[in-house]
Amino acid sequence: GAVVSQHPSWVICKSGTSVKIECRSLDFQATTMFWYRQFPKQSLMLMATSNEGSKATYEQGVEKDKFLINHASLTLSTLTVTSAHPEDSSFYICSATNRGKSGYTFGSGTRLTVV
Amino acid sequence: GENVEQHPSTLSVQEGDSAVIKCTYSDSASNYFPWYKQELGKRPQLIIDIRSNVGEKKDQRIAVTLNKTAKHFSLHITETQPEDSAVYFCAASARTGNQFYFGTGTSLTVIP
Repeated sequence: GAVVSQHPSWVICKSGTSVKIECRSLDFQATTMFWYRQFPKQSLMLMATSNEGSKATYEQGVEKDKFLINHASLTLSTLTVTSAHPEDSSFYICSATNRGKSGYTFGSGTRLTVV
Repeated sequence: GENVEQHPSTLSVQEGDSAVIKCTYSDSASNYFPWYKQELGKRPQLIIDIRSNVGEKKDQRIAVTLNKTAKHFSLHITETQPEDSAVYFCAASARTGNQFYFGTGTSLTVIP
């Protein structure tokens, strides 16, 4: 079945630094990648939608200059949290749609802790 | 955009009893409604989904019902087992491949 590999699974970084999270679709072409953020005991909040080769569409309230999304190929999308602050600490997870098929495939998530 | 509400936020049931989780949505264009189970720190796992041309779908102990007129859909788990304990999320999407929006989640605890 469709698999999305997300790395790293966890990361600790210092305040002010940037962190890159990668999601790769291993056996299918991810025409669209969705990025979510989940705070403890809360729901998954959609941050942005990215289509291969085009700019990401950000949800209201999500800073596009802070959360940089790149979807340069049909198998790779990256989320870079720039100038991270402790309040950015969260669980980030991607989800991809498979060209021509329904449903979504989630990555395994990244636990980001900013100290 | 779409607004999905989910109730209850927490639910405890005795093993063997049934559990029901309800969601409402706001966008009448939504036509795909998946349910996900998420264990702590792990990715959501799709457990069942339903499309707007169907009123009910069942898969063993799990069933989902949809009322498009009222814009609500429900998850039913029968004969609950301790391993059913997790957080369950509903979601709604306007079309296949489009973004979907999650409900606020229900933490289900099945008491042995």
